[in-house]
Amino acid sequence: NAGVTQTPKFRVLKTGQSMTLLCAQDMNHEYMYWYRQDPGMGLRLIHYSVGEGTTAKGEVPDGYNVSRLKKQNFLLGLESAAPSQTSVYFCASSYSPWLAGSQNIQYFGAGTRLSVL
Amino acid sequence: SQQGEEDPQALSIQEGENATMNCSYKTSINNLQWYRQNSGRGLVHLILIRSNEREKHSGRLRVTLDTSKKSSSLLITASRAADTASYFCATEIAGANSKLTFGKGITLSVRP
Repeated sequence: NAGVTQTPKFRVLKTGQSMTLLCAQDMNHEYMYWYRQDPGMGLRLIHYSVGEGTTAKGEVPDGYNVSRLKKQNFLLGLESAAPSQTSVYFCASSYSPWLAGSQNIQYFGAGTRLSVL
Repeated sequence: SQQGEEDPQALSIQEGENATMNCSYKTSINNLQWYRQNSGRGLVHLILIRSNEREKHSGRLRVTLDTSKKSSSLLITASRAADTASYFCATEIAGANSKLTFGKGITLSVRP
């Protein structure tokens, strides 16, 4: 099993450009998450999804949009990139905590390093 | 404000020594988890302790939870150079079952 796969691994954008980060998981997980990791800030939740067709805002949603059209994929979009969005982005997935015997243990992808110039 | 705060921010020990890392949090939780992140990689789950548990073991890992003090500790015994990584505590806040809140992390260096 591949687990959680993020593409691309690296990207450099100019201010104002747009891009989409793709996350794919093959574990049949209901829940998916997008985080950003900045030095000294830990991981901060951007958006998350508790199922196909549903999304919700996290701690730092401004400037990002997401879509979950298929259960296995979770897309993060930047419509007009800004230098403040330079970061490492991580996708994660988990089983629903409401599933009998399940716990909210998250499985992470390897990350996407994004630089916005 | 940060739900989970790890302490210390950085720790350097000799191979074979034990490493103790602490995490404090602010609100009631369902569970507390520890994750490890090797340089340039994603986070990997290590161990989970529920709010009604006080201690759990997994291999060389021992985690304790004191809900009265809202704190947890992770002990890595007989450390190895391969344990060099960043360690994060994450809390599932009671009533927010779909999300985890991560701390800023502890950088552990194990010298050969």
